Amino acid sequence: GDSVTQMEGPVTLSEEAFLTINCTYTATGYPSLFWYVQYPGEGLQLLLKATKADDKGSNKGFEATYRKETTSFHLEKGSVQVSDSAVYFCALSDATNAGKSTFGDGTTLTVKP
Amino acid sequence: NAGVTQTPKFQVLKTGQSMTLQCAQDMNHEYMSWYRQDPGMGLRLIHYSVGAGITDQGEVPNGYNVSRSTTEDFPLRLLSAAPSQTSVYFCASSLGHFNEKLFFGSGTQLSVL
Repeated sequence: GDSVTQMEGPVTLSEEAFLTINCTYTATGYPSLFWYVQYPGEGLQLLLKATKADDKGSNKGFEATYRKETTSFHLEKGSVQVSDSAVYFCALSDATNAGKSTFGDGTTLTVKP
Repeated sequence: NAGVTQTPKFQVLKTGQSMTLQCAQDMNHEYMSWYRQDPGMGLRLIHYSVGAGITDQGEVPNGYNVSRSTTEDFPLRLLSAAPSQTSVYFCASSLGHFNEKLFFGSGTQLSVL
């Protein structure tokens, strides 16, 4: 079945540091890939997505590239801010699995001033 | 725009009690789903629906029932609450069931004593 594996957290960075959160996936078909962000006390919201190999999703300074050869979708940001502190979820949606979304366990990011 | 609305936000139940978590969306989305979020386990799919009158089981359906009589509403019923059902529950919807981002409600925090 489908699965998503994220790097274990929590991750603590200083403001303006470089961020990488690793994500790899296993899927039967050819999935779409997503990063969602969850701020304290809120539901998840889409951060970015990519639908085919070599696509790069980007939003709010975050980027992730769909790498089919390594089955990866790592999230990066060049300079994090305190306001980026949140839980980040990698997810996939697979048409061969009725389009159901599969989520990773989430990575908690804390950015200190 | 209301988006996805979940009620209640908090609930405490005793073992064996039943209750219904409400979910409504005003975006005319065909696809709706329920997830539970537990520490270290990410989001797990409970039930989902690809349209009014159609529901199916997700990864962890035992102890939960759903129905979809209208496009807008997708209630989740706990038949006989157990402590193992203590969790945060999220309802989500999307325009389609593949390749589309999910819109999440703000969650229901449920404690079963």
